[in-house]
Amino acid sequence: KQEVTQIPAALSVPEGENLVLNCSFTDSAIYNLQWFRQDPGKGLTSLLLIQSSQREQTSGRLNASLDKSSGRSTLYIAASQPGDSATYLCGTNAGKSTFGDGTTLTVKP
Amino acid sequence: DTAVSQTPKYLVTQMGNDKSIKCEQNLGHDTMYWYKQDSKKFLKIMFSYNNKELIINETVPNRFSPKSPDKAHLNLHINSLELGDSAVYFCASSRRIGLAGEGGELFFGEGSRLTVL
Repeated sequence: KQEVTQIPAALSVPEGENLVLNCSFTDSAIYNLQWFRQDPGKGLTSLLLIQSSQREQTSGRLNASLDKSSGRSTLYIAASQPGDSATYLCGTNAGKSTFGDGTTLTVKP
Repeated sequence: DTAVSQTPKYLVTQMGNDKSIKCEQNLGHDTMYWYKQDSKKFLKIMFSYNNKELIINETVPNRFSPKSPDKAHLNLHINSLELGDSAVYFCASSRRIGLAGEGGELFFGEGSRLTVL
């Protein structure tokens, strides 16, 4: 049974800092891993999808990496802004999706 | 145009009632899902349909019955609502899940917040 863990559970940083969110999973036989952003009271917005054959994906200030052998993914956010404040979830697809509990990020102006 | 839309967005009802949530996607995807997010924000899959066929049915009470009239719609009917059913229910869609279970990018609706009193 796949288990997904996200560390830290919460993170508070000043504006402009670069930061890393971590996601680990127990079953490395995944097809892809997806990072999402969830704002309070809203749905999940897809940020990046990494297929199992890929090592990383980039979109703007976001970079996600995937290391299947170690069961880890990281989401790197460069030059953080207050608008980045949200909960970030990672989800693995190994036939069905399993999600972590999320990291709640607060970026202070 | 909203890619994945759910109705209603909010639902407040009494214990024992029956209620339905509707979902529609205009992305041309073959696969649709229902997820439940509890008060601790933990997101868990409930059901998955691939071109109107049920392919994933997690350990969900049989009071929950999904129905897919066509591949663009997936509805969720809940009978005899209980306090523990209070949660946010998310619909999602992706391109076809292949024989090996691979799937594409997940797109989520805005969620339907169900409160059972």
